[in-house]
Order: sequence, then structure tokens, then C-alpha cells
Amino acid sequence: GENVEQHPSTLSVQEGDSAVIKCTYSDSASNYFPWYKQELGKRPQLIIDIRSNVGEKKDQRIAVTLNKTAKHFSLHITETQPEDSAVYFCAASDPNFGNEKLTFGTGTRLTIIP
Amino acid sequence: DGGITQSPKYLFRKEGQNVTLSCEQNLNHDAMYWYRQDPGQGLRLIYYSQIVNDFQKGDIAEGYSVSREKKESFPLTVTSAQKNPTAFYLCASSASGLERSYEQYFGPGTRLTVT
Repeated sequence: GENVEQHPSTLSVQEGDSAVIKCTYSDSASNYFPWYKQELGKRPQLIIDIRSNVGEKKDQRIAVTLNKTAKHFSLHITETQPEDSAVYFCAASDPNFGNEKLTFGTGTRLTIIP
Repeated sequence: DGGITQSPKYLFRKEGQNVTLSCEQNLNHDAMYWYRQDPGQGLRLIYYSQIVNDFQKGDIAEGYSVSREKKESFPLTVTSAQKNPTAFYLCASSASGLERSYEQYFGPGTRLTVT
């Protein structure tokens, strides 16, 4: 099955700086890559996703890039703010089950330092 | 108030007892999922169901069972065969159909402690 690795496990950045979280996946047939944010004590929520026919997608301060050849994708957060502090999870779809079955990375705890 | 709900928020059981976690959604979603969340291990899929009366094992199904008798409900039973049942359990749902978004909507979770 699909295997997703996520790095780093923890990340601290100064407020206003950028943060980058990277994930690699194992199955070259995967075609859907979402990112979820989980604030402390809350449920995970989708913040951005990308499909394999697109190399980059941006939504205000967050962007995701996908390199299918290298089988990795990254989350970029610019101009970080205190409310960006959370745990972020990447995921990749299992091509044998459409895009409904996801394999998640182990998460990155992002801390924004005021 | 639309969404996905889980109950109870906290659950305590003695070792050797089966326990059932509730998950209900009124989003009219066809697909539902159960994940287990442990520190440092992300979200691991236990079971998922794409349609009523059908479900598939995820990556860590051993010691768990589910049913999907109604579209709105997907209860998870943690059996005594699960060796390390203490964890945070998250239920999720997503839409199906040709124009669907693949976004999964999560419930608030149930923290199960077995002693």
C-alpha cells in the first residue's frame, strides 16, 4: 500500500517568516494530495489540496507544490501568524480505491514564535 | 446544525470489555471513515465505508469491527482483541459522485481510555 513520510516532525519559525513542510509518497499512481490542519483540541480540517495534473496551487498565504517525478509534495506558508500554530498532516490517495482512501503522514507541529 | 458528531467525548473502560463508539453525520455523505490518532503516528485508517451495507478494512483493522446499516451512522466497536485500545478516535465522512470533492470532514473525536 501507499507509504507517506513527512518532515520535519516539529518546526518553529518567527512570526512573519515562511514555513515549509515536506512529504514523500511511494505509489506513483497516487493522484490526490490534501493537507489538513489540526489546532490544539480541535478536529483536523482541510486547508488545501492538489491533484496530480497540477504542479502548484495557491490560496492566499498557503501554497502546495507537487513533483510527480520525485514523488514529493510540499506545503508553504508565507507571512506566518500566531494562528498558524497547529499540527499539519499531509496525505496521499490510494489509487486502488479512488481518492477516498487516504494515507496520512505522521504530522508536523508548527509553532509560530511572536 | 449540519455536521458530523461523535459521542461520547471521553470514554473509560476496563480491559476485556468491548466498547462501541458512535459516529453520526447529516451531511448526506456516502463515505465514512474511522481513524485512530496516537502521538507521533498521525492518522491511521481503521475501517471505511463507501456505501450503506458495505465497508472495507483499513491499515489497522485488527481488534475492531464496524457496521453501516444507515447512511448517517457508522459505529465502531473496539473489541477485547485490540491489544492497545487507548487512543483518540476520529470519524470522518466525505461526499461521493462524479462532481464530488474529496474533502473529508472530521468529527470532534472520542478519547478512549482502557485500564
